[in-house]
Amino acid sequence: AIQMTQSPSSLSASIGDRVTITCRASQGIRIDLSWYQQKPGKAPKLLIYAASTLHTGVPSKFSGNGSGTDFTLTISNLQPEDFATYYCLQDYKYPWTFGQGTKVDIK
Amino acid sequence: QVQLQESGPGLVRPSQTLSLTCTVSGGSVNSGGFFWSWIRQPTGKGLEWIGRIYTSGTTTYIPSLESRLSISMDTSKNQFSLRLTSVTAADTAVYYCARGNKFVSGNYNRNFLDIWGRGTVVTVSS
Repeated sequence: AIQMTQSPSSLSASIGDRVTITCRASQGIRIDLSWYQQKPGKAPKLLIYAASTLHTGVPSKFSGNGSGTDFTLTISNLQPEDFATYYCLQDYKYPWTFGQGTKVDIK
Repeated sequence: QVQLQESGPGLVRPSQTLSLTCTVSGGSVNSGGFFWSWIRQPTGKGLEWIGRIYTSGTTTYIPSLESRLSISMDTSKNQFSLRLTSVTAADTAVYYCARGNKFVSGNYNRNFLDIWGRGTVVTVSS
């Protein structure tokens, strides 16, 4: 199975900060990657698909980039509602695999 | 809008069979272009995609569960279901159902999970 490694596993940031989360695939996956946000006790929500396409209704403060093996999710102007855990998911090959998650909390 | 809701027993005995159902409202489980997935999340851990079913009935499962897992669809009830046999404590998790969608780009389908159920907690314990 393709391994997805996110870094960092957690980060602390302040309101208004810009943060970047990285997701690395164990083999090339083109742009077959999506990003999800999960808050405690809630289901994940889709943010970005095809590596950089913003899902409907997701604010433009979220952006995705990358192709092949290296991908990033950037969140600008962090607000209280953005503190959550973020996951990447590759759909290049079955079984689909998630990264282990990156928890973004308040500094 | 389309909504998904998981249902099933919260407690299952070890070695028994876990059966969960996902009911789709606001849309049809038979809609072309979509597929339907199950994902689980052990307490305090990350997400694990475990399988999916297309409207054609074609299924794909994670290899580690393939011998115990089956996913099916009941179009008359607008539902799809998960059945996991011989469960152990390792199967304890929140189970989510989700709709799979695709975006065609450069002759490829880019797939993603755009609508999720709220999740249902399943505990395997005697």
